[in-house]
Amino acid sequence: DAKTTQPNSMESNEEEPVHLPCNHSTISGTDYIHWYRQLPSQGPEYVIHGLTSNVNNRMASLAIAEDRKSSTLILHRATLRDAAVYYCILRPYSGAGSYQLTFGKGTKLSVIP
Amino acid sequence: DAGVIQSPRHEVTEMGQEVTLRCKLISGHNSLFWYRQTMMRGLELLIYFNNNVPIDDSGMPEDRFSAKMPNASFSTLKIQPSEPRDSAVYFCASSLAWADTGELFFGEGSRLTVL
Repeated sequence: DAKTTQPNSMESNEEEPVHLPCNHSTISGTDYIHWYRQLPSQGPEYVIHGLTSNVNNRMASLAIAEDRKSSTLILHRATLRDAAVYYCILRPYSGAGSYQLTFGKGTKLSVIP
Repeated sequence: DAGVIQSPRHEVTEMGQEVTLRCKLISGHNSLFWYRQTMMRGLELLIYFNNNVPIDDSGMPEDRFSAKMPNASFSTLKIQPSEPRDSAVYFCASSLAWADTGELFFGEGSRLTVL
């Protein structure tokens, strides 16, 4: 299984941008990069995903390195509600295991008022 | 829109008792996942259903665990007999298989404590 490496924890000041890194040096050509987050006492929720190009949505931006061996989730202005554990996950596009979301330990983001 | 609905939210039981956790999928979704989360092991996939059929149950810990989908919108996860090591938060998630994002929608979880 392709694996991801994330820092255990990060801190950010409220209303500042946050860059959450993820290394995935063994990524295969058909692996999508997915990000989920888990707020305290809640289930995980989808944030964003991408394959090769940078992606933006209402929640965040995803910057993917040209060699795809790393990516960065960008929260443009952190709010207290963004305090959560953020998971970077590789998911095969198709074939066996394409339904799988294998969660690692993620990065615990703390937002300081 | 109602999301994935799980019940009960909290369950405290004694070792040896039967536990049944319930999950209602989002209308129109056809894939169902049961996950378990503990401090030690994080989030683990227990079982995956597609169109009511179990596709992958390799994560089910042992025969004490069973999961069913009696219809397209509802699933149960049963533990019989329960043991203290089963204490965890159990999440179900649904998705529309083969949708562009393959986004999984998780419920709020059922926190199980086995004494």
